[in-house]
Amino acid sequence: SQQGEEDPQALSIQEGENATMNCSYKTSINNLQWYRQNSGRGLVHLILIRSNEREKHSGRLRVTLDTSKKSSSLLITASRAADTASYFCATDGGATNKLIFGTGTLLAVQP
Amino acid sequence: SAVISQKPSRDICQRGTSLTIQCQVDSQVTMMFWYRQQPGQSLTLIATANQGSEATYESGFVIDKFPISRPNLTFSTLTVSNMSPEDSSIYLCSVVATGGYTFGSGTRLTVV
Repeated sequence: SQQGEEDPQALSIQEGENATMNCSYKTSINNLQWYRQNSGRGLVHLILIRSNEREKHSGRLRVTLDTSKKSSSLLITASRAADTASYFCATDGGATNKLIFGTGTLLAVQP
Repeated sequence: SAVISQKPSRDICQRGTSLTIQCQVDSQVTMMFWYRQQPGQSLTLIATANQGSEATYESGFVIDKFPISRPNLTFSTLTVSNMSPEDSSIYLCSVVATGGYTFGSGTRLTVV
């Protein structure tokens, strides 16, 4: 079953603009991760934020986590056409280490 | 991070037949998982492959349809049995190892 809901489902922006994607989840987590997938290919791990962290940066990526609201956001700054992909959040909630994925956001960056 | 070799990368199968997908990991890993990604959808966890014991299936997935083997800590197979067009999806394996989670490149299955 799906753990997270993401919004928007689809996002179209111009190159150079920022893109923000949001993820909400339902139960307690150990960590939350963001992945990128290009055209149905393999998943690329972008960033992991632990439940005791509130914000994390990696290059042009910024992730926030609000455990009280059970939500996270992924910000991509200064977007490029190559950022066009589907983005998924995934939560790791327990001893089993299984990841439960959100519904995903399809990002299109127009050159 | 662990490196996974997943085979086949794609296949087109006749309905009613079965396909076995393999994942080989370059190191021993305790946790291995199988996911399905239906067209245009997110990933759904099918099961956790346990070494030396029966897999643990998620709600909506059963062993008769998706039998899983895990003979050792570096290898697992997922079989999609008695296929129908609704089984057309990408199937991915995943492991947890030092360095985090790694996913196979996926098997794109089309059932005709």
